[in-house]
Amino acid sequence: KAGVTQTPRYLIKTRGQQVTLSCSPISGHRSVSWYQQTPGQGLQFLFEYFSETQRNKGNFPGRFSGRQFSNSRSEMNVSTLELGDSALYLCASRGRLAGSTDTQYFGPGTRLTVL
Amino acid sequence: AQSVTQLDSHVSVSEGTPVLLRCNYSSSYSPSLFWYVQHPNKGLQLLLKYTSAATLVKGINGFEAEFKKSETSFHLTKPSAHMSDAAEYFCVVSDRSNAGNMLTFGGGTRLMVKP
Repeated sequence: KAGVTQTPRYLIKTRGQQVTLSCSPISGHRSVSWYQQTPGQGLQFLFEYFSETQRNKGNFPGRFSGRQFSNSRSEMNVSTLELGDSALYLCASRGRLAGSTDTQYFGPGTRLTVL
Repeated sequence: AQSVTQLDSHVSVSEGTPVLLRCNYSSSYSPSLFWYVQHPNKGLQLLLKYTSAATLVKGINGFEAEFKKSETSFHLTKPSAHMSDAAEYFCVVSDRSNAGNMLTFGGGTRLMVKP
């Protein structure tokens, strides 16, 4: 079974621009979560989507948004980029049941650098 | 609210000696607990998972962890370290209190293995 894939793997943007990151979950999985990893703040939850609906949202400004498509693929968008948005963005895929304790499987991440 | 504290940010051991990575958690509900490992420039790989079955959980690569409710701890151990174990390790608690599934991460412990 193929794992979680994220594209692109690396991205360089400048302040004020916007960026879209993509995540394809494991086949059959319906939940996709996004996390931001920075040296200062560690790993922080951004949001979770299940069957195209946002189920949970972390404590991030409205510049961070996401969506999920009918095939469970998810995109995350960051508008008006700031230097502090430089981070590794990780996507995690989980099974077929909402609210279950199924393991989350992580993709390799997208490294975003904001100049 | 839930939280995770990893008591050591860095642990250094010699190859062939035991590994102990300490984790304490706080959760209002019966928690699901995980250990993930992250090698440099990689995503997160699941080592093991506790979900209220046996309190001693065995994972991949010889790692195991013991859930101790009275101490709110979930320490990770390995009898004999290998050079390939050098990585960052994250203790994680899963929030099952709502319809979603949000992971809360500890700050991470960087394990260094000396030859």
